[in-house]
Amino acid sequence: EVQLLESGGGLVQPGGSLRLSCAASGLTFSSYAMSWVRQAPGKGLEWVSVISGSDGSTYYADSVKGRFTISRDNSKNTLYLQMNSLRADDTALYYCARGASGSTCYSGLDYWGQGTLVTVSS
Amino acid sequence: DIVMTQSPDSLAVSLGERATINCKSSQSVLYSSNNKNYLGWYQQKPGQPPKLLIYWASTRESGVPDRFSGSGSGTDFTLTISSLQAEDVAVYYCQQYYSIPFTFGPGTKVDIK
Repeated sequence: EVQLLESGGGLVQPGGSLRLSCAASGLTFSSYAMSWVRQAPGKGLEWVSVISGSDGSTYYADSVKGRFTISRDNSKNTLYLQMNSLRADDTALYYCARGASGSTCYSGLDYWGQGTLVTVSS
Repeated sequence: DIVMTQSPDSLAVSLGERATINCKSSQSVLYSSNNKNYLGWYQQKPGQPPKLLIYWASTRESGVPDRFSGSGSGTDFTLTISSLQAEDVAVYYCQQYYSIPFTFGPGTKVDIK
C-alpha cells in the first residue's frame, strides 16, 4: 500500500524558512514523479512544484519560483520542499502527491499524503 | 498559464439524481501526438486530501465507482455523477497537466438537496 507522510510544517515568521519532508513507502519511489500541492485555509488547490522520477527535472509555480526548491533523495524514499523567504500568503496545508504515470511530470496525482500545515505569521 | 474554470460553483442534487460539473480550460489540453487530454478530476471531502477520480479526461481510476464518468476534449470537459449518493458530498476539482504550471479549477461543491 502506497503511503505518503508529510512533516516539517509549523509556525514561521515572514521572511523565514522551512523544509518540508514527505516520506514515501509501498512504491518504487525513484520511478515516480512527485509533486507538492497546497491549500490555503478554506480555499482551493494550488499546484506548487513537481520533480520527475527520471532525470530529476524540476518545475515550479510562478508564485514560489526562486523561493522554493523541490528535491528528492531516492535512497531515503523522501521528497523535500525547501521554502525560503516565506510570506503570509504561503500559509497553507501542503500535500505531497505521486504522479500517476510513472516518472513523467505530466500526469495526474493518484496518491496523496494527509498534508502538513505551514503558518506564516508574526 | 492555462486558466481552468468550473461551473457551477455549487449544486444541490437529490439522492439518486444526476450531477453534472463543467470544466473549461483557456487553451486546449489535447496533446495531438497521443490524442490524450491532459485533464484530471479530483474529489475532496472535508478534512481529507483530494482523491483522483478520472485521468486523461475520461479514464476512471481503479476503485472509483462507475457512477462517476468524465467526458470532453480540447477545452471543454464534464464530470458526471449518474446517481448521486450521500457519500459523494464533496468539492470536485479539475486539473490540467498539459503545461506547466499545472493548474486546478476553483472547485465545485456538491451537496444533497
